[in-house]
Amino acid sequence: DIQMTQSPSSLSASVGDRVTITCQASQDISNYLNWYQQKPGKAPKLLIYDASNLETGVPSRFSGSGSGTDFTFTISSLQPEDIATYYCQQYDNLPVTFGQGTKVEIK
Amino acid sequence: EVQLVESGGGLVQPGGSLRLSCAASGFTFSSYAMHWVRQAPGKGLEYVSAISSNGGSTYYANSVKGRFTISRDNSKNTLYLQMGSLRAEDMAVYYCARVRNGLLHPNDYWGQGTLVTVSS
Repeated sequence: DIQMTQSPSSLSASVGDRVTITCQASQDISNYLNWYQQKPGKAPKLLIYDASNLETGVPSRFSGSGSGTDFTFTISSLQPEDIATYYCQQYDNLPVTFGQGTKVEIK
Repeated sequence: EVQLVESGGGLVQPGGSLRLSCAASGFTFSSYAMHWVRQAPGKGLEYVSAISSNGGSTYYANSVKGRFTISRDNSKNTLYLQMGSLRAEDMAVYYCARVRNGLLHPNDYWGQGTLVTVSS
């Protein structure tokens, strides 16, 4: 199975701050990488697909980059409604695997 | 509007069985592969199983292989997960999720989840 190492596991930032989360795959997954947002008690929501494509309806402050084994997810200006846990997911091979998650809080 | 509604969760004893359902609406169910993903309390997301659009191909996580069976009834727009020999570590919220295009693509829609509790 492909292992996804996500960091940090949690972070605290101020409203308006730039927030960056990284995800590293245990092998080359090309750009088969998605990012999801999960708010407490809710289902995950797809934000970024194919490493850098913004899902329809998702605010442009969210972005993703990377290919191969190293990927980055960025919130350009953190908003209060962005409080959530974020997960990366590879879909290069079954089983699809997720990173451990990054909990984002407001400072 | 795409909707996925899971049901069938509940309390079951270790070693017991349970069948989860996921009722789909708002899209052509028979055209999409589907996944089951679970989340143990306070933990991250874990893939459980996948099924192709026509049900001809199925895949399982090693942790559930031989104990769980995924299936679908395209005439009823419903996905199923038959779970057997349940263990404490199977306790989780189970989500069904649509796969955008083919068996290996983003999960673009998710249900609200159904909680499975394994306890004596």
